[in-house]
Amino acid sequence: SQQGEEDPQALSIQEGENATMNCSYKTSINNLQWYRQNSGRGLVHLILIRSNEREKHSGRLRVTLDTSKKSSSLLITASRAADTASYFCARRYSGAGSYQLTFGKGTKLSVIP
Amino acid sequence: GAGVSQSPSNKVTEKGKDVELRCDPISGHTALYWYRQSLGQGLEFLIYFQGNSAPDKSGLPSDRFSAERTGGSVSTLTIQRTQQEDSAVYLCASSPRASSGSNEQFFGPGTRLTVL
Repeated sequence: SQQGEEDPQALSIQEGENATMNCSYKTSINNLQWYRQNSGRGLVHLILIRSNEREKHSGRLRVTLDTSKKSSSLLITASRAADTASYFCARRYSGAGSYQLTFGKGTKLSVIP
Repeated sequence: GAGVSQSPSNKVTEKGKDVELRCDPISGHTALYWYRQSLGQGLEFLIYFQGNSAPDKSGLPSDRFSAERTGGSVSTLTIQRTQQEDSAVYLCASSPRASSGSNEQFFGPGTRLTVL
């Protein structure tokens, strides 16, 4: 399967702590994107990292990409109760049909006030 | 500006009935995608439209599923003879141009389909 897989499947932390979610993939990518989903409805794009990048930041979000290990991590620092949501990584893989994004099953994050 | 909109937000139907789900993409976006998300699962790609090109239907799970996009804008996903396993949230997304570097997708709120 070329599906991106996230781990852990679920994560529960106290407000103020950092949350780290991981994503692995199996074939070469053009870029990898992280999305957030509240209450099982529409997804919101958070951050994109290209295959030639190793780290990107956006506010309290930090994403790393290790192409040798075919993995990415999303770090949310100083978490807030409002960060409670499901987080998905989506790969845009290289080659034919590369317009598609392949989503994993997500990590369900619960931030306890 | 307006985001991606979908209607209806919820649809309850009886097994065997046909349903139509609608998606209005962001104005000017040439790429449009349909996904399906079953409870607690990731997104399953269904179909992709890009401009006037033939759609990529490779993700459609059966011939009961079809989709069209009129005038390069609004899209309708049709499910014929619905089955209980069709129950899911159907998400639509659009992006400015699939071949662009980022391919960030903008999602609608989804239609929750329940087949009784």
